[in-house]
Amino acid sequence: EAGVTQSPTHLIKTRGQQATLRCSPISGHTSVYWYQQALGLGLQFLLWYDEGEERNRGNFPPRFSGRQFPNYSSELNVNALELEDSALYLCASSLMGQDPTYTEAFFGQGTRLTVV
Amino acid sequence: LAKTTQPISMDSYEGQEVNITCSHNNIATNDYITWYQQFPSQGPRFIIQGYKTKVTNEVASLFIPADRKSSTLSLPRVSLSDTAVYYCLVGARGGYNKLIFGAGTRLAVHP
Repeated sequence: EAGVTQSPTHLIKTRGQQATLRCSPISGHTSVYWYQQALGLGLQFLLWYDEGEERNRGNFPPRFSGRQFPNYSSELNVNALELEDSALYLCASSLMGQDPTYTEAFFGQGTRLTVV
Repeated sequence: LAKTTQPISMDSYEGQEVNITCSHNNIATNDYITWYQQFPSQGPRFIIQGYKTKVTNEVASLFIPADRKSSTLSLPRVSLSDTAVYYCLVGARGGYNKLIFGAGTRLAVHP
């Protein structure tokens, strides 16, 4: 069974541009989470989507946005890129929305975004 | 959400047992305790989850005292490949768990 897949694996953008990151959850998972991890630091929660709706949002400016599609895949968009947005962006999926007794989350390998 | 406190770093040697303790004084009645492992430039990987007493799987054991205000992840006979960051998370199963990660414990296993 395929795990969580993220694309692209690497992305280089210049300051002020927009970046779009994509995530495909494990088949059957309805919840998708996005995290930002700057080099050497911890995971900062960005967004949580479940059943197509944004359920929760971390402490990030509005230029970080996303959506979840009917097939439960998700996009993270970062507008007006700044140098400090350079980080590993991780996506995770879980059965959270469907099975309230089980909350293991499975992570993808991430997208390394570099803003120059 | 209950706040968690873990040691920033730990060192061990191959073959030793490693115990990482996490404090969560404000844990709620319906909160579970979950541990993840993360290698550099990879996403975290689920290790173990528990509610009370002891849970054991093929990778680790999780000890939770009766008051549930702390928990201990036990890794038996560590190897160099266990060098990673270990995160303790506390939250309710289902609907509203935001999977908030703290700083984690950076474990270094030496030959």
